[in-house]
Amino acid sequence: KAGVTQTPRYLIKTRGQQVTLSCSPISGHRSVSWYQQTPGQGLQFLFEYFSETQRNKGNFPGRFSGRQFSNSRSEMNVSTLELGDSALYLCASREQGDSSTIYFGEGSWLTVV
Amino acid sequence: QKEVEQNSGPLSVPEGAIASLNCTYSDRGSQSFFWYRQYSGKSPELIMFIYSNGDKEDGRFTAQLNKASQYVSLLIRDSQPSDSATYLCAVGSNDYKLSFGAGTTVTVRA
Repeated sequence: KAGVTQTPRYLIKTRGQQVTLSCSPISGHRSVSWYQQTPGQGLQFLFEYFSETQRNKGNFPGRFSGRQFSNSRSEMNVSTLELGDSALYLCASREQGDSSTIYFGEGSWLTVV
Repeated sequence: QKEVEQNSGPLSVPEGAIASLNCTYSDRGSQSFFWYRQYSGKSPELIMFIYSNGDKEDGRFTAQLNKASQYVSLLIRDSQPSDSATYLCAVGSNDYKLSFGAGTTVTVRA
């Protein structure tokens, strides 16, 4: 079974631009969540989607948004990029339910200059 | 108070020794507990999960959970240089997210 696939893996953007990151979950997994990892803040929850519905959202500004498609693939968007948005963005998938294990993709490394 | 706290590192252990990692959490309603390993420049990789009080063993790894004390730990027996990594404790409740600790960096000395 293929793992969680994230694209692009690396990208550099300029302040004020926007970025879209993509995630394909493990086949059969319907839940997709996104996390931001920075050296200072660690791993922080962004949002979680199940069957195209956002079920929870972390404490991030409205510049961070996401969506999920009918095939469970998900995208997240960050608008008006700031230097502090430089981070590793991790997508994770799980089959269903609240306790089932989440599996991470390799992540998208975003650098904002 | 942080939701999930891990013992501060770095933790240095000799090859073959036991590495002990600790984690406490604040939400008494937490239901699921995970340990992830993250190598430098890589994404977190699941090592263990535990849902019930007690011990759970998988190879050289043992997870221990005590819900009354809101405490979860990970023991790595016969530590190998390849175990050198950052270990992340994660806690899940019924809100579809995991809360992560800051991580403990382990270095196994050959």
